[in-house]
Amino acid sequence: GEDVEQSLFLSVREGDSSVINCTYTDSSSTYLYWYKQEPGAGLQLLTYIFSNMDMKQDQRLTVLLNKKDKHLSLRIADTQTGDSAIYFCAESRWDNTGKLIFGQGTTLQVKP
Amino acid sequence: DSGVTQTPKHLITATGQRVTLRCSPRSGDLSVYWYQQSLDQGLQFLIQYYNGEERAKGNILERFSAQQFPDLHSELNLSSLELGDSALYFCASGGIGGDSYEQYFGPGTRLTVT
Repeated sequence: GEDVEQSLFLSVREGDSSVINCTYTDSSSTYLYWYKQEPGAGLQLLTYIFSNMDMKQDQRLTVLLNKKDKHLSLRIADTQTGDSAIYFCAESRWDNTGKLIFGQGTTLQVKP
Repeated sequence: DSGVTQTPKHLITATGQRVTLRCSPRSGDLSVYWYQQSLDQGLQFLIQYYNGEERAKGNILERFSAQQFPDLHSELNLSSLELGDSALYFCASGGIGGDSYEQYFGPGTRLTVT
C-alpha cells in the first residue's frame, strides 16, 4: 500500500527530547526522510536514512529505523522553541523515480 | 535556501482560468518533481520529469500538465481551475540522477482559486 502514518501532534517542554514516530507499509522502501515545515514556508530536508541502516545521528537529530516493524522515528535532543514546526516523514521506493510518499505530518509544539 | 526557485509566490485567480507555475531546479539536478499540498489531501506527488522526459505520474488531474525544458526548468500548467485546486504547489529537484538521494524543495506557489 501507499500509507505512511504519523501521529498528528506532539507537545514538549523546551530542553526536553522530542520523539516523532512514523510507520510505513511498503517493504520496498529505499530511503526514508524527515522534512521540517515552518508556518508559511517550504519543506526543509532535515535528514534521511537508507533502508539497510538502523540509526543515523546528525547533531541534535537521531533517526532510528526498525525495518522489521516498518517504524521510523526522529529524536530531537534539547528541543528549542525554534523547533516548533510540522515534521513530515517520507519514503521513496525501488521504482527508479525517487518520488516521495509523505505522511500527514506531526505538529511539534515546544513550550517555554 | 534550497537552491530551488519557484515563481510566482502567490497566485489568485478565478474558476475556469488557466495558470502556469514555474520552477528552476538546483544547479546540476536533472530531476524535477511537482507536489501538491492541501488541507484535505496532504502532500501528494503529481509528476516527475528527468532530463526533459516524463518519468513518473502520480495523482495528477487531466486538467493539469507539465513539461521540462532544455535548460531544465519546469512549468506546471493548471487549466479549467476549480475551487478545490486551491493549494500550495511545490517543486523539488534531486532525488535521482546524481550522487545522492537528497530531494530539495522550493518555497512553493500558493494558488487561491476564487
